[in-house]
Amino acid sequence: DIVMTQSPDSLAVSLGERATINCKSSQSVFYNSNNNHYLAWYQQKPGQPPKLLIYRASTRESGVPDRFSGSGSGTDFTLAISSLQAEDVAVYYCQQYYSAPLTFGGGTKVEIK
Amino acid sequence: QVQLVESGGGVVQPGRSLRLSCAVSGLTFSNYGMHWVRQAPGKGLEWVAVISYDGDNKYYADSVKGRFTISRDNSKNTLSLQMNSLRTEDTAVYYCAKGDGGSYYEPFDNWGQGTLVTVSS
Repeated sequence: DIVMTQSPDSLAVSLGERATINCKSSQSVFYNSNNNHYLAWYQQKPGQPPKLLIYRASTRESGVPDRFSGSGSGTDFTLAISSLQAEDVAVYYCQQYYSAPLTFGGGTKVEIK
Repeated sequence: QVQLVESGGGVVQPGRSLRLSCAVSGLTFSNYGMHWVRQAPGKGLEWVAVISYDGDNKYYADSVKGRFTISRDNSKNTLSLQMNSLRTEDTAVYYCAKGDGGSYYEPFDNWGQGTLVTVSS
């Protein structure tokens, strides 16, 4: 099974400042055949289901604000929020969909400082 | 507009069974792989199972293999999860989620609101 490790577990960022979340996979999630990383990021607000933000490591889902960006390659990935807004308070999860069992990171809670 | 609506959750004793359903609308259901994902109270997300677009292929998490069965009825746009031999550690909100394509290996672009399953004596 591919283990997804997120860091930090939580972070507090001032409004308008940058937030960065890291995700490491225990093995590569890169498909050579289509040149894509099978890595997604989700946002979950309290009492709500998760929402897809980023897929293929760096492609924003339709409707997601451009302050959210994904980057990385191989086994190391990052989700960045360039200018934190109050509505971005949530728990963020990375997920690999490269192989079954599909696995999630443990989550990172983002709060306002 | 795509909608996924789960039902069937509730309180059940350990060792008993429960069947969850997910009604899907707003898309051609038979084109997409479908998943169940669960979240224990205050915990993170755990993928449970996937079924291919045609129902021919299924995968399960080790934690539920042999106890849970995923199925679908493409004529009724419905996904199901039959849960047998329930354990206290199966207590969670169960979400159905749609894969963004026909393969199992797609991100989950639509989620239901979830249904709570509580396993307790």
